[in-house]
Amino acid sequence: AQKITQTQPGMFVQEKEAVTLDCTYDTSDQSYGLFWYKQPSSGEMIFLIYQGSYDEQNATEGRYSLNFQKARKSANLVISASQLGDSAMYFCAMREVSIIQGAQKLVFGQGTRLTINP
Amino acid sequence: GAVVSQHPSRVICKSGTSVKIECRSLDFQATTMFWYRQFPKQSLMLMATSNEGSKATYEQGVEKDKFLINHASLTLSTLTVTSAHPEDSSFYICSATREGRLSQPQHFGDGTRLSIL
Repeated sequence: AQKITQTQPGMFVQEKEAVTLDCTYDTSDQSYGLFWYKQPSSGEMIFLIYQGSYDEQNATEGRYSLNFQKARKSANLVISASQLGDSAMYFCAMREVSIIQGAQKLVFGQGTRLTINP
Repeated sequence: GAVVSQHPSRVICKSGTSVKIECRSLDFQATTMFWYRQFPKQSLMLMATSNEGSKATYEQGVEKDKFLINHASLTLSTLTVTSAHPEDSSFYICSATREGRLSQPQHFGDGTRLSIL
């Protein structure tokens, strides 16, 4: 069974600083995908960034980058130049390739609540 | 703009009422949609995988008769909470994925806050 672990329940960061949100995963599959989502207090889930298990380079998307260390099974999210609007819950998730067509389920970590202080 | 639409956004109703929640993919066909439940300050818990034209696949511990899922078309899945009770109060959120590569993210609806009095 796969598992996603986010060890930081809460993070407090000063505005404009960079912040790293930790995520480790456990899977026996060779092919898998890792995702980060942001959930503001309003509840919607916003897709931020994706990393494939075979991707050789770390994914980047604007101020978001993913520090992917495959041997250590970690996929930490880095947010550069944090803004007040970055305050939200952040979830790491993993999707496995399934032999059942269309059943590519996502498993989520516990989440990290990020608070950006002015 | 939103690619998955979920309605209603909020429901408050009496115990014993059945509540239907709709999830629509707006600009792509989704043979598979997913339904999650989220308790306050907790993560998303997958309830079931909704398959177009066939029965839903429920996760262990989820009551099939309590949470009825219908995926009648490639753009619409519905979740009906039957005879809802206060313990069913929660945040329910659906998602859909464009078929194909593993890199395709799940796109989520805005969720439904269900409160049973």
